[in-house]
Amino acid sequence: EPEVTQTPSHQVTQMGQEVILRCVPISNHLYFYWYRQILGQKVEFLVSFYNNEISEKSEIFDDQFSVERPDGSNFTLKIRSTKLEDSAMYFCASSNGDREPDYGYTFGSGTRLTVV
Amino acid sequence: QKEVEQDPGPLSVPEGAIVSLNCTYSNSAFQYFMWYRQYSRKGPELLMYTYSSGNKEDGRFTAQVDKSSKYISLFIRDSQPSDSATYLCAMNLNNAGNMLTFGGGTRLMVKP
Repeated sequence: EPEVTQTPSHQVTQMGQEVILRCVPISNHLYFYWYRQILGQKVEFLVSFYNNEISEKSEIFDDQFSVERPDGSNFTLKIRSTKLEDSAMYFCASSNGDREPDYGYTFGSGTRLTVV
Repeated sequence: QKEVEQDPGPLSVPEGAIVSLNCTYSNSAFQYFMWYRQYSRKGPELLMYTYSSGNKEDGRFTAQVDKSSKYISLFIRDSQPSDSATYLCAMNLNNAGNMLTFGGGTRLMVKP
């Protein structure tokens, strides 16, 4: 079964440092997403990406965050200057929209980001 | 009122029991409804996906959507210890890249 792959599985960084989280979505999917889940809390939407641009973003996704699809397979989330409160599990997801209406979103296993 | 509400549990049942998990929501514009299973510190795994109202069955799992009541359910028949996990409901407005809104999850424990 096709998978969304995320690397690294765990990243520890110092406050103020930049981090890049990487994802390889399912190859024929059109929509790509980042979500985060702070320990013990809900899964929260950050951003969606379609046709090489951001299509929707939440209030969480401020100027410290950016996304990129640098080539045909990777999708990245960059946090420019990490804060302690950025510590969370970050999930990448992809979907194929109306081309596969029974498929829903597929999530990756996540990157656990710890800011110290 | 929260947009999507789910009883956090934990819900503890004996093996073989029928489990009923539920979510209520406030936004009547939601059209697509999903149930995910999440093991500790892992990504959500899609279990069921339903468009609009009605029932959908897949093996031991049945998803129900009642849009008039803004209420969705997931039933698990013949529950197994391996079903022990957190179950998340999620929903969105359309299937064209719209963001998912999640419930907080219900922790299910199935005891052998």
